[in-house]
Amino acid sequence: SQKIEQNSEALNIQEGKTATLTCNYTNYSPAYLQWYRQDPGRGPVFLLLIRENEKEKRKERLKVTFDTTLKQSLFHITASQPADSATYLCAISRYSSASKIIFGSGTRLSIRP
Amino acid sequence: DARVTQTPRHKVTEMGQEVTMRCQPILGHNTVFWYRQTMMQGLELLAYFRNRAPLDDSGMPKDRFSAEMPDATLATLKIQPSEPRDSAVYFCASAPTSLDGDTEAFFGQGTRLTVV
Repeated sequence: SQKIEQNSEALNIQEGKTATLTCNYTNYSPAYLQWYRQDPGRGPVFLLLIRENEKEKRKERLKVTFDTTLKQSLFHITASQPADSATYLCAISRYSSASKIIFGSGTRLSIRP
Repeated sequence: DARVTQTPRHKVTEMGQEVTMRCQPILGHNTVFWYRQTMMQGLELLAYFRNRAPLDDSGMPKDRFSAEMPDATLATLKIQPSEPRDSAVYFCASAPTSLDGDTEAFFGQGTRLTVV
């Protein structure tokens, strides 16, 4: 079955540094990969989507890469701020980004001032 | 401000009781997802619908769980009978159709279910 792995341990970063989160998947060939942010007690919120034929995508301080050979995506937050502290979820889907969406378990990110 | 609305936000029930969770997707969204989130398993897909028709419910225990969309504005997830291991946060999400395949899922606030 499909499996998505994200850093299970929390990531602690000094404010102003770049945070890098990893998402690896197996037994799947997703056409779309998405990143979501989840705050305590809230539902996930969409951040970025990248297609299998795209290597990199940027949105403001966020950057996502997608390597279909390594079956890996990297999610970067540059100039990190304490307000970026949250859990970040990786998600994959095959036929469209609104087809069966499978999520990783998430990585908790803490940005200390 | 369009949003996915889930009710109830919290539910405490006794083992063996029936539980019904409701979701109002964003108007115009034709794909609806049900997820369950626990600390141990993370966010698991239970079922999803397209244009009210179930496309995949393989993540759902069939003997006690059922999901339906009586109409385009309402999705329901029912557990009967409930068990303590069903305790979790249940999320509904909806998504619009996009011609190029690029779209995003909008999540509700979730229903926190506790079965005692």
